[in-house]
Amino acid sequence: AQSVTQPDARVTVSEGASLQLRCKYSYFGTPYLFWYVQYPRQGLQLLLKYYPGDPVVQGVNGFEAEFSKSNSSFHLRKASVHWSDWAVYFCARNSNNRIFFGDGTQLVVKP
Amino acid sequence: NAGVIQTPRHKVTGKGQEATLWCEPISGHSAVFWYRQTIVQGLEFLTYFRNQAPIDDSGMPKERFSAQMPNQSHSTLKIQSTQPQDSAVYLCASSLTGGEYEQYFGPGTRLTVL
Repeated sequence: AQSVTQPDARVTVSEGASLQLRCKYSYFGTPYLFWYVQYPRQGLQLLLKYYPGDPVVQGVNGFEAEFSKSNSSFHLRKASVHWSDWAVYFCARNSNNRIFFGDGTQLVVKP
Repeated sequence: NAGVIQTPRHKVTGKGQEATLWCEPISGHSAVFWYRQTIVQGLEFLTYFRNQAPIDDSGMPKERFSAQMPNQSHSTLKIQSTQPQDSAVYLCASSLTGGEYEQYFGPGTRLTVL
């Protein structure tokens, strides 16, 4: 079974517009959840992490994510997208001994 | 903190040759992970060490691939008799403690097998 699902392979937004990237997870208990970003020809960089507690977590560069146990979701949001946010975003969740990654969402920023 | 270091950044090999990829985890991190990334397959987990001991190699191809962590400061991924389908970006990551916590990635090694 897919541990993390990112339903949108590609999202296009205009610069300055708000952003939401969707992530759904499957896990029996309360997971640890992560969002990573990958810029072209670079490794993955941690944007933010959720460990059980406040459902809204803040990350770098104005990103935030909200955990919802009832919806099994951990969507990433940003109020105003910048052209430099053009990248691939990966949602991930923990397992017993490692992290499972989603397939990624390509964010395209229009001028 | 230099982050996770991977060398080389790019490697080109001929079919049938051996390739060794190096990873230096963040100092003090006890867990090291290897992933492979391609356009078609996406991000694939290969193997995982904690305190230098192999914990999970469920993602490693059964043949030609091996990984070692001889000391806490570096890990190697070796591919014998490389094939064109091994062409990918190989990513190394480290984590402070266990595998279920956040991981920090290196820039990757782009392997091209001609």
